[in-house]
Amino acid sequence: QLQLQESGPGLVKPSETLSLTCTVSGDSISSTPYYWAWIRQPPAKGLEWIGTIYYDGYTHYTPSLRSRVSISLDTSKNQFSLRLTSVTAADTAVYYCARVGSVRSVYYYLDVWGEGTTVIVSS
Amino acid sequence: DIQMTQSPSSLSASVGDSVTITCRASQSITSYLNWYQQKPGKAPRLLIYASSTLQSGVPSRFSGSGSGTDFTLTISSLQPEDFATYYCQQSYSTPLYSFGQGTNLEIK
Repeated sequence: QLQLQESGPGLVKPSETLSLTCTVSGDSISSTPYYWAWIRQPPAKGLEWIGTIYYDGYTHYTPSLRSRVSISLDTSKNQFSLRLTSVTAADTAVYYCARVGSVRSVYYYLDVWGEGTTVIVSS
Repeated sequence: DIQMTQSPSSLSASVGDSVTITCRASQSITSYLNWYQQKPGKAPRLLIYASSTLQSGVPSRFSGSGSGTDFTLTISSLQPEDFATYYCQQSYSTPLYSFGQGTNLEIK
């Protein structure tokens, strides 16, 4: 059974870099043609798409964060990671990693989620 | 960017009621529309993909419909565990996606 687990610091200082890792168990992130995604949710707000990475390393980011975000794969550890630079209080959120499943590579959806990790940006 | 707008933002209903949530896209997304349920402190759960296909394990009282720009999620005979926040999400612009702002379904 596929499982995802986020990990990383829960507190980051303003202007510093937020780094999170998603560890995947139950499947190899490099052997199957899936997208893997990061999503965040500020306190008492809705879901915001951050970006996706394909199993071959190709990335796509939401325009509003593109200048500050990067997502990468570590196939040796079966993990993918998120880096967000120059953080401010507005980046305080629960951060989720998820798998993008599909039907016949036509319809895509987020079918497996991590439990989420809270990141607070504060000095 | 494709903008997704849900209505209403919040909704009160009673156990046994039937409710409908609407999602509108800023451009045609044909049937590339998914619905998620989120309970407090939990990750979202996929309910419906491709506008109307029920994810495995989701009760049949959940149904989705629509195409183009207008979509609906209907929950018939509400159960206590259905009170949650619901989000739509477009996958037309894969692998860039966007969510609606959410609809909070509360017990009346």
